[in-house]
Amino acid sequence: DAKTTQPPSMDCAEGRAANLPCNHSTISGNEYVYWYRQIHSQGPQYIIHGLKNNETNEMASLIITEDRKSSTLILPHATLRDTAVYYCIAQFFGNEKLTFGTGTRLTIIP
Amino acid sequence: DTGVSQNPRHKITKRGQNVTFRCDPISEHNRLYWYRQTLGQGPEFLTYFQNEAQLEKSRLLSDRFSAERPKGSFSTLEIQRTEQGDSAMYLCASSLVWSSGYEQYFGPGTRLTVT
Repeated sequence: DAKTTQPPSMDCAEGRAANLPCNHSTISGNEYVYWYRQIHSQGPQYIIHGLKNNETNEMASLIITEDRKSSTLILPHATLRDTAVYYCIAQFFGNEKLTFGTGTRLTIIP
Repeated sequence: DTGVSQNPRHKITKRGQNVTFRCDPISEHNRLYWYRQTLGQGPEFLTYFQNEAQLEKSRLLSDRFSAERPKGSFSTLEIQRTEQGDSAMYLCASSLVWSSGYEQYFGPGTRLTVT
């Protein structure tokens, strides 16, 4: 699985869009990009995943660059409950083990 | 709520004792995973099951660790002769594979403290 690089921490004002970047410059053509988050003292929570196209669900949007070397997770209207560590993972479909890095600690500021 | 459940939520034990954790996955999920997380780090994969078959084990899973999923439903993770380095959060997850990728659903974890 490709290595991913994320900033260690970010702040975002409540109500604004939070844009979390992830670099995966060595990603191969059939590796998916997954995003999970972990709120303090809870297990990780799946957010979204994508292969090539941009994806949107009720939680977030995932924008993947055309060359697939980076992606951005967008939380459109951040709330205090979105304060968490966000993990970006590049993974082959069929590879069962998620390889978590240290993620980005996102703090939503009131 | 029919999410992944784990018991106990917290366990304090003395070095050298054996401990066992239980995980109940989402009922229709056929895959079950165990991860370990130490402070400030992301979760690390330990092992996974498809139904009752244990299909992969990490090198992190030493001989003192054993996991079972006897009927393809709940799973147990046992640590024998615990060491202080075993202190961590033990996370269980389950999934149902589908054609365009899959997500893992995590339980709240069992926090182990070895004194």
